[in-house]
Parts: sequence; C-alpha cells; structure tokens
Amino acid sequence: EVQLVESGGVVIQPGGSLRLSCAASGFTFDDYTMHWVRQAPGKGLEWVSLITWDGGSSYYAESVKGRFTISRDNSRNSLYLQMNSLRTEDTALYYCAKGTTSRASMDVWGQGTTVTVSS
Amino acid sequence: QSALTQPASVSGSPGQSITLSCTGTSNDVGAYNYVSWYQQHPGKAPKLLIYDVTDRPSGVSHRFSGSKSGNTAFLTISGLQAEDGADYYCTSYTISGTPVVFGGGTKLTVL
Repeated sequence: EVQLVESGGVVIQPGGSLRLSCAASGFTFDDYTMHWVRQAPGKGLEWVSLITWDGGSSYYAESVKGRFTISRDNSRNSLYLQMNSLRTEDTALYYCAKGTTSRASMDVWGQGTTVTVSS
Repeated sequence: QSALTQPASVSGSPGQSITLSCTGTSNDVGAYNYVSWYQQHPGKAPKLLIYDVTDRPSGVSHRFSGSKSGNTAFLTISGLQAEDGADYYCTSYTISGTPVVFGGGTKLTVL
C-alpha cells in the first residue's frame, strides 16, 4: 500500500524551530519529487515547498522562503521540513505529498501533522 | 490572495452536471497543460481527480472531467451525487516565482 505518514507537529512559541518528517512506503521513493502543502484552520490549501527526486533542487513559497528548508533522505524513504523563525501565520495542518511524472500534481497525500504557533 | 481564482461556492442538484472554474494567467494556466484538480472532504486529505488538464488517475470516476480554455481551466462533474459535496482545489505549474500555485478552493454543495 502506498502511504505517507507525517510526524513532528507540536505547539510552539513564535520564533521557535521545528522539524517535520514524512515516512514513505509502498513506492520507489527516490523516483519522485516530493511536496509539502499546508492548510491553515478553516482555510484553503497552500503549497509550501518541493524537492526533486535526488534532492538536487528545491523550491519554496514566498511566505516561507529563507525560513523553511526541505530535505530528503532516500536511504530512509523520508522527507523533512525544517521550520525556523516560526510565526503565528505558520499555524496549519502540514501535508506531505508525492509528486507525479507530471508537473505540479500530487497523487498521494498523508493525513497531515498539526503545527500550532502560539505564545 | 491565491494565485488562481476559483468561485467560493457553487451548488447543484443530484443528477445535474456542474462546472467549476479556475482562472489564472498566461504565466500559469494559459502557458502549460499542467493543471490539476483535487477533492477534499472535511477532515480528510485531498484526493487527486485530474492532472495535465484532462487526465484522470486510475480509480477516479469518469464523472469527473477536465478542460481548459485560454487562462481558465474547468472541472466538470456529471451526474452529481451527494458524496460529491466537498471542497475542490485547482493547481497549476507556473513560471512566475514559485513553481506551484493553488486556487482558493470552491465549496460544492449538493442540494
């Protein structure tokens, strides 16, 4: 079964740092681009970041550029999101998603992990 | 403000066909055939319905179809069913800044 399982979400104070993880199984992880997408409470989906299959290239939404870093460990079938200088507006459910052979589409999603930034 | 514009809500009756729109620019929807559509039920993860404007992943009902005209993409749902009531999001590849942009989402209510 193809599966993505996120972890690492917590309640954290503004200015803090956090690393999210996503464990992949059921597919050849290092064949695919991977994404992070977030959803603030009661709001729509917001693309956050992507990393290519080999980790050679990564891209970020303007709202997180310079604060978040995406990475992957293909030997561990794992995706990560290092989040620094957290703001209250980063509060959201963070999804890990598998890219497809097409651009900008994601065909497998995890159930998400919740990050709450609050003092 | 979302990069792609979707109507906030639409409604339809069971059995009807309904079309959702997703309007971008010549830098995204109009430039590439890389538009995707997702369905999200409350409390659930999004589900890919359409990719590359018109293609359906295996397992997705043929009642869902996609198209594009100029800078606007469309998702048509035929034979509307109660379980189609959900939020629908479009995405596109874009050459401007970040490579992926989402629409703000459309809430579909089945009357």
